[in-house]
Amino acid sequence: AQSVTQPDARVTVSEGASLQLRCKYSYSATPYLFWYVQYPRQGLQLLLKYYSGDPVVQGVNSFEAEFSKSNSSFHLQKASVHWSDSAVYFCALSMTSGSWQLIFGSGTQLTVMP
Amino acid sequence: AQTIHQWPVAEIKAVGSPLSLGCTIKGKSSPNLYWYWQATGGTLQQLFYSITVGQVESVVQLNLSASRPKDDQFILSTEKLLLSHSGFYLCAWNPGDWGAGGQDTQYFGPGTRLLVL
Repeated sequence: AQSVTQPDARVTVSEGASLQLRCKYSYSATPYLFWYVQYPRQGLQLLLKYYSGDPVVQGVNSFEAEFSKSNSSFHLQKASVHWSDSAVYFCALSMTSGSWQLIFGSGTQLTVMP
Repeated sequence: AQTIHQWPVAEIKAVGSPLSLGCTIKGKSSPNLYWYWQATGGTLQQLFYSITVGQVESVVQLNLSASRPKDDQFILSTEKLLLSHSGFYLCAWNPGDWGAGGQDTQYFGPGTRLLVL
């Protein structure tokens, strides 16, 4: 069955440090992949998406992610985090064969220390 | 530009009471619409989706039902709430232009917080 795994429930980094949030997926073909961010008591906002082509995708607010088919991964990265990046980050997968489901990982709570 | 609204913003309800949550999309005709449930501190579980008026498909029911009475409106309801219904309910949409599937990016509303006592 298709699934998304975010192995780190919580990540704490200092402001200005680099960041990587991990996402692994399970799917027999190449999926469509998304990263969303959720600020406290709010809905989800799209950070970036991967459909095909260049495995490195750029998103909003200087986030980027790299798709790796060999590793079944789609890790989110940022070179220098700001305290306002503190939020919950979700990785999600959409299947490419006529499915209506968006499958989410369990989320990673990011705390940026000033 | 498309906008998505959800109502109410928050609800406190008694176990066994009825519930109706709404979602409206403006600025896009014939969108695909989705309902999600999020337990406190948890991930998102897709509940229902709809690709056209009058048609709703269930993914996970959780003793809830959904209806799409108009092109731009999606309703989530139940006649009898359970404690387990507490959480955050999110409505989402995507353009519905991808033919056979709903794989395009989903855009989320602000959510409705529900507490069942």
